[in-house]
Amino acid sequence: ELKVEQNPLFLSMQEGKNYTIYCNYSTTSDRLYWYRQDPGKSLESLFVLLSNGAVKQEGRLMASLDTKARLSTLHITAAVHDLSATYFCAGGRDDKIIFGKGTRLHILP
Amino acid sequence: DTAVSQTPKYLVTQMGNDKSIKCEQNLGHDTMYWYKQDSKKFLKIMFSYNNKELIINETVPNRFSPKSPDKAHLNLHINSLELGDSAVYFCASSLLMGATEAFFGQGTRLTVV
Repeated sequence: ELKVEQNPLFLSMQEGKNYTIYCNYSTTSDRLYWYRQDPGKSLESLFVLLSNGAVKQEGRLMASLDTKARLSTLHITAAVHDLSATYFCAGGRDDKIIFGKGTRLHILP
Repeated sequence: DTAVSQTPKYLVTQMGNDKSIKCEQNLGHDTMYWYKQDSKKFLKIMFSYNNKELIINETVPNRFSPKSPDKAHLNLHINSLELGDSAVYFCASSLLMGATEAFFGQGTRLTVV
């Protein structure tokens, strides 16, 4: 069964710094997804990663996928306060989308 | 033109009551899901439906009964509500099961008192 683990679960960082959130998954996954959730809000799809070596970028966020290592990363460049949110990675397999526990990112001004 | 809409957004009820949450998607997707998000923000899949058929029931108590009258709707009925059922319930839909991104509704915050 697919298990998805994220780390760190909590991250407090200064504006302007770079950081990476890691997502490991336990078995072959059809797809890897990244979502953002603001407090009290729904989940917003950020990236869909389809194959080994896939890299996608949107603004200050960049996601990558290494299927051999079963690892995806979400890299934040020059963080700004507006990026404060909870970020989830999720894997698709066996007709399900399984979520990691989420990384609560707090960016200090 | 909300893609996935849930009602109600908030639901406060007493233990032992029965309640329903409705979900509709206008994306033309074949697959719909119910997820439960607990107080620690962990998201757990409860049910998956594909073309109105139940595909996955993730060891959810049988007090929870999903119903899909058509592939655009997936409702969740909960009997004999318990304190531990308090959570945010999200409906989602995707084009293909597990293989395409899911689009989420705004969530229903259920509080059982």
